[in-house]
Amino acid sequence: SQTIHQWPATLVQPVGSPLSLECTVEGTSNPNLYWYRQAAGRGLQLLFYSVGIGQISSEVPQNLSASRPQDRQFILSSKKLLLSDSGFYLCAWSFTGVTEAFFGQGTRLTVV
Amino acid sequence: RKEVEQDPGPFNVPEGATVAFNCTYSNSASQSFFWYRQDCRKEPKLLMSVYSSGNEDGRFTAQLNRASQYISLLIRDSKLSDSATYLCVVNMGGTGGFKTIFGAGTRLFVKA
Repeated sequence: SQTIHQWPATLVQPVGSPLSLECTVEGTSNPNLYWYRQAAGRGLQLLFYSVGIGQISSEVPQNLSASRPQDRQFILSSKKLLLSDSGFYLCAWSFTGVTEAFFGQGTRLTVV
Repeated sequence: RKEVEQDPGPFNVPEGATVAFNCTYSNSASQSFFWYRQDCRKEPKLLMSVYSSGNEDGRFTAQLNRASQYISLLIRDSKLSDSATYLCVVNMGGTGGFKTIFGAGTRLFVKA
């Protein structure tokens, strides 16, 4: 069966510090991968999605970036965090772009 | 216009009530549709897929109207445990392939 791992579960970082969140999927090949952010009391905002290694589509311009160095690894990064980057970050995967998505448990990021 | 729009809620209903959630999407070429449930501070989980012919899973009924670009979820005989945020989800084409877009969610509170 397929599983998705996302870490860390919680993170407190100072403004201006770098960020690296990692997500890995097991039990499938060539999944579609997604990064979402959910601000407190708000809906999920799609940040990046990827249909293959090295293929990243960005939905919202901001100071975040994503990379897919391996088939089942998706990384969300920032060189300098802003207060507004605080939120609940969720990684997800799907078999293709038209099937349901399965989520990791999320990372709750607080920028102080 | 947002790609996926939902009733803002919250919906406050007594146990045993029937409640309906509505959702509209903007991209007529959207391929697949889902309802997810999200409990407080947790990741979203798939509730059910939505098919053109309509589909039912116990107390839950989902319907899709492609001509009107409209999706609905009906919950009958509400339980306390149904309290959660319900997210309308649409898979639509993007520059990098199909992507999964979430509505902002509708909060449901079921009271004893």
